[in-house]
Amino acid sequence: GNSVTQMEGPVTLSEEAFLTINCTYTATGYPSLFWYVQYPGEGLQLLLKATKADDKGSNKGFEATYRKETTSFHLEKGSVQVSDSAVYFCALSISDYKLSFGAGTTVTVRA
Amino acid sequence: DTAVSQTPKYLVTQMGNDKSIKCEQNLGHDTMYWYKQDSKKFLKIMFSYNNKELIINETVPNRFSPKSPDKAHLNLHINSLELGDSAVYFCASSQLNEQFFGPGTRLTVL
Repeated sequence: GNSVTQMEGPVTLSEEAFLTINCTYTATGYPSLFWYVQYPGEGLQLLLKATKADDKGSNKGFEATYRKETTSFHLEKGSVQVSDSAVYFCALSISDYKLSFGAGTTVTVRA
Repeated sequence: DTAVSQTPKYLVTQMGNDKSIKCEQNLGHDTMYWYKQDSKKFLKIMFSYNNKELIINETVPNRFSPKSPDKAHLNLHINSLELGDSAVYFCASSQLNEQFFGPGTRLTVL
């Protein structure tokens, strides 16, 4: 089946630190890959996506590259801010109708 | 001009009661979803509808019944509520493979 494994949290960082959240996937076929972010008390928002191997998704200073050879889609940001404190979800989609989510990683950035 | 809206935002009720959560999207999307998020933030799909037709039903107890009166609405009715139903329920809609989520409904069963 299709599944996503992402690094367990919680992760606590200081402002301006480098953030990496690891995500690996198992899929039949060629999935599209996503990172969603959930800020406290809100629903999920799409942060970035990549639809084929070697694509790089980027948004708000976050980046992730679709690596087919390592079945990975790690999320990175070079300098985090307090406002980046949130839960981050890696997800994959094979069909148009279903997303498979990872367990979520809670990130807290301290001033 | 909220894209995906849900009501109510909070719902507190007694075990055994029946309750409904409503969802509306104004994005013109064909597909809508219900997800359940537990206390550990784990997100699980419950149902998916495409053009008012049920296409995904992820082994959810039949106490949960989705209803889609039209493409823009997907409501969730829950009968005989149990303690384990306490969670945050998210509605979402999509066109192609990008999903847009509502703000969530926090259900607490006492």
